[in-house]
Amino acid sequence: DQQVKQNSPSLSVQEGRISILNCDYTNSMFDYFLWYKKYPAEGPTFLISISSIKDKNEDGRFTVFLNKSAKHLSLHIVPSQPGDSAVYFCALVVGFKTIFGAGTRLFVKA
Amino acid sequence: KAGVTQTPRYLIKTRGQQVTLSCSPISGHRSVSWYQQTPGQGLQFLFEYFSETQRNKGNFPGRFSGRQFSNSRSEMNVSTLELGDSALYLCASSLNAGSPGEKLFFGSGTQLSVL
Repeated sequence: DQQVKQNSPSLSVQEGRISILNCDYTNSMFDYFLWYKKYPAEGPTFLISISSIKDKNEDGRFTVFLNKSAKHLSLHIVPSQPGDSAVYFCALVVGFKTIFGAGTRLFVKA
Repeated sequence: KAGVTQTPRYLIKTRGQQVTLSCSPISGHRSVSWYQQTPGQGLQFLFEYFSETQRNKGNFPGRFSGRQFSNSRSEMNVSTLELGDSALYLCASSLNAGSPGEKLFFGSGTQLSVL
C-alpha cells in the first residue's frame, strides 16, 4: 500500500520563479513530515521538516506547508535556482521507520 | 565527522548468486536503516536496526536479510539474486530512528546490477 504519494514525476521551472512540489498521504497517524533532496550518485540529504502540530515551516528559500484535513504536504522553493535541480522526496515518520514517496524530479532552467 | 560509508559502490552479479553490502554509520549513531531505490518506485524501506536488534521490516521477501554488529556497523544480504533486485541500495543512520522529527543521514549507496 502506498502511504505516501508524489503524483508528479517531474516538474520544470524557470530560474527565479516558484517551484511547488506536492505530496499526499493516507495515514493520519504520521507525526513528522520531512523533505529530502537527492542529486545523482549521492544519497538523499535532509532539507526541511514539519511537525504535525504546525501548518507551516520556513527555512530560507524553502517553505513546507501541511494541510492535515486534506492530508497534503507541499514544498515551496522561492526563488528557484539551477542548483535546486534534483529529485525531491517527501518522507513521513511512523514508529521506527521513515516512509518515502516516489520522488519528483525538479528541473530549474537558467 | 565522517559520514555514512557504504561499500562497495558498484557491484555486478548474476542471477542466483548472493551478495553482501556493508554500511558504516556516523560515529555515535545507533540506528541503521536500509532502503532500495528503483526508478519510479522511490525509496522502499527494507529494515531498521538499533543496538543489534531489528525493530522494523518492510515488505520484502525473506531473501533479503540484514544484521547489525555491536559497533553499529550493518550488513545486508540478498540471496538467490533475481534480475528485479537490480537497484541502488541505500543505508541511512540516525541517533535513534523514531524520535520525533529525527532526520536520516544517507550514504551514497551501492549500485547493484544483476545480469
